[in-house]
Amino acid sequence: SQTIHQWPATLVQPVGSPLSLECTVEGTSNPNLYWYRQAAGRGLQLLFYSVGIGQISSEVPQNLSASRPQDRQFILSSKKLLLSDSGFYLCAWRRGADGYTFGSGTRLTVV
Amino acid sequence: AQSVSQHNHHVILSEAASLELGCNYSYGGTVNLFWYVQYPGQHLQLLLKYFSGDPLVKGIKGFEAEFIKSKFSFNLRKPSVQWSDTAEYFCAVNDNTDKLIFGTGTRLQVFP
Repeated sequence: SQTIHQWPATLVQPVGSPLSLECTVEGTSNPNLYWYRQAAGRGLQLLFYSVGIGQISSEVPQNLSASRPQDRQFILSSKKLLLSDSGFYLCAWRRGADGYTFGSGTRLTVV
Repeated sequence: AQSVSQHNHHVILSEAASLELGCNYSYGGTVNLFWYVQYPGQHLQLLLKYFSGDPLVKGIKGFEAEFIKSKFSFNLRKPSVQWSDTAEYFCAVNDNTDKLIFGTGTRLQVFP
């Protein structure tokens, strides 16, 4: 079956520390993958998307980066976290004409 | 760049009241339109979608939405809300690119 996994579910990190959030998809190949951030009162903001291995498109300038080392793996990273990086991060993949499926999300709190 | 506007940020209704949530988008070409719902503590779920054909789309749980191309709108409706409809609702638009752009969301609270 087709599923999307995202971890960790929650994370508390100090300012200036690195970040690595992982997203993997099962049951499909060559998916389009996305990272969104959901901040209170701001809806879901598209951060990065990838149409294939090593292909990353960045939507907004920020302190974060993304990588796609394998076909079904999408990683969100930061070298040094800022307070403003706090939020709820969602990974998604596009299921062709069926739309998009979202992961369970990671709640990141930078302290 | 395309954008999506949801003008109702917070809506409070009593059970059995009718609901209409507004959604407008800025892209002038062919679009795919979506409404997602996020119940408290749960994942985003697809409520309904429009790709082509009948502009009146019926989704799960009695929701429907109407695509009005001339108004660039895709409003969500439900004739009679229930307490269990309390959630956050997101409109989203996808054009000919691979991007899905969301509105800022509408928080709906339904009181019994």
